[in-house]
This record gives sequence, structure tokens and C-alpha cells, in this order.
Amino acid sequence: GAGVSQSPRYKVAKRGQDVALRCDPISGHVSLFWYQQALGQGPEFLTYFQNEAQLDKSGLPSDRFFAERPEGSVSTLKIQRTQQEDSAVYLCASSLVMGDQPQHFGDGTRLSIL
Amino acid sequence: AQKITQTQPGMFVQEKEAVTLDCTYDTSDQSYGLFWYKQPSSGEMIFLIYQGSYDEQNATEGRYSLNFQKARKSANLVISASQLGDSAMYFCAMTSPETGNQFYFGTGTSLTVIP
Repeated sequence: GAGVSQSPRYKVAKRGQDVALRCDPISGHVSLFWYQQALGQGPEFLTYFQNEAQLDKSGLPSDRFFAERPEGSVSTLKIQRTQQEDSAVYLCASSLVMGDQPQHFGDGTRLSIL
Repeated sequence: AQKITQTQPGMFVQEKEAVTLDCTYDTSDQSYGLFWYKQPSSGEMIFLIYQGSYDEQNATEGRYSLNFQKARKSANLVISASQLGDSAMYFCAMTSPETGNQFYFGTGTSLTVIP
């Protein structure tokens, strides 16, 4: 497709379960970002990849959060031993290169932890 | 550290009127970029407009314009001739090379266009 694709669109999990969220960026986009958006808030940065290299993971809230982009295209955000406070929308964005480029966002994954 | 402030949680505008959404920012970086995004209830973030810190002219994209006042550190979004489809959340964001180009977002403004 032409845009950033995220799956699943919705995910419900029980507290303590592991989840994996997928992001398929726009073809050829070097930079990939993950954001967490709590209800009624703006997105908050989690982590950033340039190709397969994870250059910044300073926004990951705990060591339960892990992201990878092994071949420099598709990325997966994994959350282990989920907690209720992990409930949020997880947004993936990609941009062509670094710098003042607009980031193109996917529709997000709405994660609900019961 | 970067900080974006949007002081208007909710705004109402009559259809076909213009509306200004406020955004102020705080940064010590000399080079930075400012963006506005629209987020409808469906959840996707739609890029609207971009202003670079060194751009002397205000950015315009169709019905969107950015009122950039560098000395005041403000980057207000002006939407002209509002349409019902403009009802959405609007987020101001900034980025800079010094912070790895991650976006810092404000808390957003909910715009409702009244027919």
C-alpha cells in the first residue's frame, strides 16, 4: 500500500500477557518512529530507527518494551508482561530521511489491557 | 528540552469562518521544524503543514496557513473557510536535529465546526 500500515488495528490482552504490534512503513522510508498516545493526550515518543539501527530508545517506559526492525523495513514493538497502564494507542510513523521531514503515520494499534 | 504548549482544549467555529489554533514552543535549538497534524476520530494522524525555523515566510497549504512568530516562539495554525470535515483534534509538533528528529507533540486542540 501507499501508506504506513499497522496491525492489528485493535488488540485486547489480559494483564501479564505479551503482545506484538507490527508496523509496515512506506516503501523506501529510512526513518521509523514509534509513539504512544494515551487517551486525550498527544503522542509521546518511544523509539526511533534509521534503517535497521535503533538509534534512540530513550522513550521506552520500561524494559518490558522492546522494538526491532531487523531488515530495515517492517518493525515490531513488543510489550512483555503487559500492565493496565500500557493501554494506549501505539502509533508508527515513517519518513524518507532524517531532518525536517514530515512523518507519515499509520492508523495506530489501540491496545487495551484487561 | 523541547516543549509544545497548546492552551485551547476545545474550539468551536462556524462553517465557512476562519479559526486560529494556538501553539507555543520552547527550545534552545537554533534549527528546528514545526508541524501541524490533524487527527480525526478514526485515529490517523494527517500531516497538514510544515514551517522551518529559518523560513522567513509563513507556510501555506491550501486553506491552512501557519502564523510563525519566531521571537514569540509561536506557530499558530489558521484554517480559512472552515468545513464540517475539519472537525478533529489538531496537534502541533516540533523536531530538531539535536533531539534525533523525534517529534514532540502538544496536548492538542479539539475543533468542532458548527453548520
